[in-house]
Amino acid sequence: ELKVEQNPLFLSMQEGKNYTIYCNYSTTSDRLYWYRQDPGKSLESLFVLLSNGAVKQEGRLMASLDTKARLSTLHITAAVHDLSATYFCAVPPTGSARQLTFGSGTQLTVLP
Amino acid sequence: DVKVTQSSRYLVKRTGEKVFLECVQDMDHENMFWYRQDPGLGLRLIYFSYDVKMKEKGDIPEGYSVSREKKERFSLILESASTNQTSMYLCAAIEEAATEAFFGQGTRLTVV
Repeated sequence: ELKVEQNPLFLSMQEGKNYTIYCNYSTTSDRLYWYRQDPGKSLESLFVLLSNGAVKQEGRLMASLDTKARLSTLHITAAVHDLSATYFCAVPPTGSARQLTFGSGTQLTVLP
Repeated sequence: DVKVTQSSRYLVKRTGEKVFLECVQDMDHENMFWYRQDPGLGLRLIYFSYDVKMKEKGDIPEGYSVSREKKERFSLILESASTNQTSMYLCAAIEEAATEAFFGQGTRLTVV
């Protein structure tokens, strides 16, 4: 059974600071998704990482994937209040688009 | 640019009613999913479908059924709504090679 663990689950940070959210998964997979969710809203696709070593950046967010370590990171640079949201990673097992296992989510609050 | 559309954002139904939640995608993806999201429980898979007229149970199928008569449409049916089915329902469409996975805007269902 595929397990996906995110940490931290809750993160409070000051504006302007940097931080990293971690996503570990338990079985072989060569791709990983990151999503953002605002309160009361659905999941918005942030990044799709499709191979070992993949790195993607959008604004103050950068995501990377290490399939050998079964680890993805979401790095936040110089946080701003608008980044406050819950961030989820999700992993399909190798060779299957028919399952998608989610982490528990990281609730990020950026304080002024 | 809408990819996955759910028929209602908010829905209020009475206990015992039969409820239909509709999801339509415009990407021609094979796989479609229904999740529910509850505070503290994360996203839980109810049902998924990998082809027209095909369906598979997820982790919490009890009290639900689904229908996929056309590739672009995946319906979730609550046969007899109960108060414990009050939740946020999310539909997703995932391409077979798992290179992208998009969610609809969510339906917040309240059963009274």
